[in-house]
Amino acid sequence: GAVVSQHPSWVICKSGTSVKIECRSLDFQATTMFWYRQFPKQSLMLMATSNEGSKATYEQGVEKDKFLINHASLTLSTLTVTSAHPEDSSFYICSASTVYEQYFGPGTRLTVT
Amino acid sequence: TQLLEQSPQFLSIQEGENLTVYCNSSSVFSSLQWYRQEPGEGPVLLVTVVTGGEVKKLKRLTFQFGDARKDSSLHITAAQPGDTGLYLCAGDKQGGNTGKLIFGQGTTLQVKP
Repeated sequence: GAVVSQHPSWVICKSGTSVKIECRSLDFQATTMFWYRQFPKQSLMLMATSNEGSKATYEQGVEKDKFLINHASLTLSTLTVTSAHPEDSSFYICSASTVYEQYFGPGTRLTVT
Repeated sequence: TQLLEQSPQFLSIQEGENLTVYCNSSSVFSSLQWYRQEPGEGPVLLVTVVTGGEVKKLKRLTFQFGDARKDSSLHITAAQPGDTGLYLCAGDKQGGNTGKLIFGQGTTLQVKP
């Protein structure tokens, strides 16, 4: 089946610094990639949708200047959490979509101290 | 705004018991998906139901899509400890096939040996 990877799998950073998370579709080209956030004991919440070569669209309440998304190719999307604060600590999950299916990555655990 | 209400949110049962998880909405969905998520990992797709009234079986798991395409259920027969995990239903937030998923709150299933 299709594989989506994320890097890093976990990261700890200090408050005020920026962190970049990569999402790659390893064996297929994704028409669209999505970024979700999951707080402890909660469900997944869609943050943004990104298409290769165009600006990401953000869900209501998600700060686009804080969560920068770059979709450089059909197999790579990156999420940069800028000026991270402890409340940004969460599990970030990407998914990559073809016309028929959506495949989720393994997630990135971000802890901001 | 589409919402998915999942119940129960937590279920602890003995090995061999049967259980049903419900996913309800007041909105119509073109399809609903069921995922299973292990701690620290991304969700893994179990099934997609598309047609109203559809029933799909995956070994001991039976999925049903309501006739009106507003609800779905997951029934597990003779649960095993390996079924332990978080079960999530999801649907397209705009009712179509945009790939932008909304998730139910999730059902944490614990199967005790």
